[in-house]
Amino acid sequence: NAGVTQTPKFQVLKTGQSMTLQCAQDMNHEYMSWYRQDPGMGLRLIHYSVGAGITDQGEVPNGYNVSRSTTEDFPLRLLSAAPSQTSVYFCASSLSGTTSETQYFGPGTRLLVL
Amino acid sequence: QKEVEQDPGPLSVPEGAIVSLNCTYSNSAFQYFMWYRQYSRKGPELLMYTYSSGNKEDGRFTAQVDKSSKYISLFIRDSQPSDSATYLCAMSANAGGTSYGKLTFGQGTILTVHP
Repeated sequence: NAGVTQTPKFQVLKTGQSMTLQCAQDMNHEYMSWYRQDPGMGLRLIHYSVGAGITDQGEVPNGYNVSRSTTEDFPLRLLSAAPSQTSVYFCASSLSGTTSETQYFGPGTRLLVL
Repeated sequence: QKEVEQDPGPLSVPEGAIVSLNCTYSNSAFQYFMWYRQYSRKGPELLMYTYSSGNKEDGRFTAQVDKSSKYISLFIRDSQPSDSATYLCAMSANAGGTSYGKLTFGQGTILTVHP
């Protein structure tokens, strides 16, 4: 049981490039989400999904796309990277997304946009 | 103004000290309160969870919620060097509707416990 895994661990992009951050979980969790963590800002929700085929926007969705074709995977796409997207990105999952459940976080992807 | 405010520290204490970490919030709809611990270059992990007002104790950790003052605290007794980490408070309103499962985090407090 690997929990929540994220790839890559670290990535450098140039402004305007696109990339996909991968997230997978093997706990059969319905709820998955993406956060970004910036100094002095805590974690902020980007997008979330309550099941395959269902996604919704969080607090800071601009510049990011998501889709959920399987229960296990929830990739985050940057279509045209900007320096403001330099951050540490965390994927999280929980069983069904109700507030009382524990959310399990992945180890993070550090992204630097030049 | 942020919905959740947390003193970023850093906080440095000697081993064995009692540590007090705090958050204030402005959204009276928050009902669920959590503390996460995050070691350097790792993802956050849930440490304590409380619903509504009151205290909850788990070993050396005690979480307190005062909804009338919109103030939550985490106390660590007999602090250890292994407690050195960033501590994040997080909150959520009732499950359901647009608040479904979403957490609002504080900025995190960096704690160092030195031997």
